[in-house]
Amino acid sequence: GAVVSQHPSWVICKSGTSVKIECRSLDFQATTMFWYRQFPKQSLMLMATSNEGSKATYEQGVEKDKFLINHASLTLSTLTVTSAHPEDSSFYICSGLGSLNTGELFFGEGSRLTVL
Amino acid sequence: AQSVTQLDSQVPVFEEAPVELRCNYSSSVSVYLFWYVQYPNQGLQLLLKYLSGSTLVKGINGFEAEFNKSQTSFHLRKPSVHISDTAEYFCAVSDDSSASKIIFGSGTRLSIRP
Repeated sequence: GAVVSQHPSWVICKSGTSVKIECRSLDFQATTMFWYRQFPKQSLMLMATSNEGSKATYEQGVEKDKFLINHASLTLSTLTVTSAHPEDSSFYICSGLGSLNTGELFFGEGSRLTVL
Repeated sequence: AQSVTQLDSQVPVFEEAPVELRCNYSSSVSVYLFWYVQYPNQGLQLLLKYLSGSTLVKGINGFEAEFNKSQTSFHLRKPSVHISDTAEYFCAVSDDSSASKIIFGSGTRLSIRP
C-alpha cells in the first residue's frame, strides 16, 4: 500500500510556543489529506480536510487560527499548533486519500504532542 | 447521516482462540466499510475493506469480515489469534460519493492472554 510519513513522531514543547507537524505522502500524490486528533483510549476525531493549493476545511469546533494547515504541494501537508497549551496535548494523525474511486485512506504514524 | 457503532470497547481472549469484533453501521446510501488496526503510539493500518462484490472480505494477518446488509453489520473475525494481534481495532464507514467523510467507530481494544 501507499506510504504516509509523519514527522516528528514525538514532540515536547513549552506552553505558548508553536509546533509544526509534517505529513508526507512518499509514493503517491495526495490531493486531499486529513488531520485527526485522538485522545487517549478514544477514536479519531477529524479536525480538518486539507486540499492542495487551497484553504483547509475545518470541522465544527476546531479553531482554524489555532491549528494552521498548509498543503503547499501534492505530497506535503503541515499542521501548526500555534501558542500551544497543555490542553492541546494529544496524538495527531494525518492521512492521505489514495484514490477517490476506492475511498481508501493511508495513515501516517502519528505525532504525539506534549505541552508542558 | 452515517454512524458506526462498535459494541464492545474491550475484548479479552486467550491465545489461539477465535475472536469476533462487532461493528454496526447506519447509512442511507451505499457505503464503503473498513477495518483498521492501531498498535500503541502508531497510526492506523488498513486490515480490510468492503467496496462491493463478495460480502466476505479477507484481509491481512488472517482477519476477515462479512458485510451483512440486512443486519447493517460488518463484524471482524479471526479463527485463531496471536499475542501480536493485541491492538485497538476501528471500524469505519464512508459515503461512496465523498470518500473524505470517513466516520470511525469508537474502537475495540483486543487483548490476547497467553
